[in-house]
Amino acid sequence: EVQLLESGGGLVQPGGSLRLSCAASGFTFSNYAMSWVRQAPGQGLEWVSHIISSGTTKFYPDSVKGRFTVSRDNSKNTLYLQMNSLRAEDTAVYYCAKAAWGLGGSFSGAFDIWGQGTMVTVSS
Amino acid sequence: QSALTQPPSASGSPGQSVTISCTGTSSAVGAYNYVSWYQQHPGKAPKLMIYEVTKRPSGVPDRFSGSKSGNGASLTVSGLQAEDEADYYCSSYAGTNTWVFGGGTKVTVL
Repeated sequence: EVQLLESGGGLVQPGGSLRLSCAASGFTFSNYAMSWVRQAPGQGLEWVSHIISSGTTKFYPDSVKGRFTVSRDNSKNTLYLQMNSLRAEDTAVYYCAKAAWGLGGSFSGAFDIWGQGTMVTVSS
Repeated sequence: QSALTQPPSASGSPGQSVTISCTGTSSAVGAYNYVSWYQQHPGKAPKLMIYEVTKRPSGVPDRFSGSKSGNGASLTVSGLQAEDEADYYCSSYAGTNTWVFGGGTKVTVL
């Protein structure tokens, strides 16, 4: 079964750090780009980071650039999100998501597998 | 990147159709045919329903269809069923490996 399982969420004080993990199973993890997407309580989805299959190139929106770092260990089938200088507005459920392939393995711009999410609460 | 604009709510009776709009910009929805739609039930992870504007992943009923015109996109759910009651999010690729999502639309089956 294709599955993503996040862990590492919790309560952290403003200015603190947290590292999230996402364990992948049921597919060849090293072949796929991955993203992190978050959802603040009662709010919509927000894309947070993207890393290509090899791990050599990473992308972020302005809201987290310089504070968050995405990485992956393809030997361990695991995706990570290092979050530093956390703010109250970073409070959210964080999902890891697998980039989907289109027909013939082409780029599709979509995410077809999502984890169950891990909650991050930034509060004093 | 600016979020895509969706109506906060939509509703329909069982068997009817409901259409959700998603308004973007020329640098996101208008620039690429990489619009996706996700369904999210309360407390659950999002589920991909439509990708590349009109394509349905395996297992998604053909009651779900997508379209795009200019800087806007739409998701139509035909033959509404009780299990279609959920939040729906549009998303667009915005270039250089970046993405933008809509604020979500809550669909109620009356």
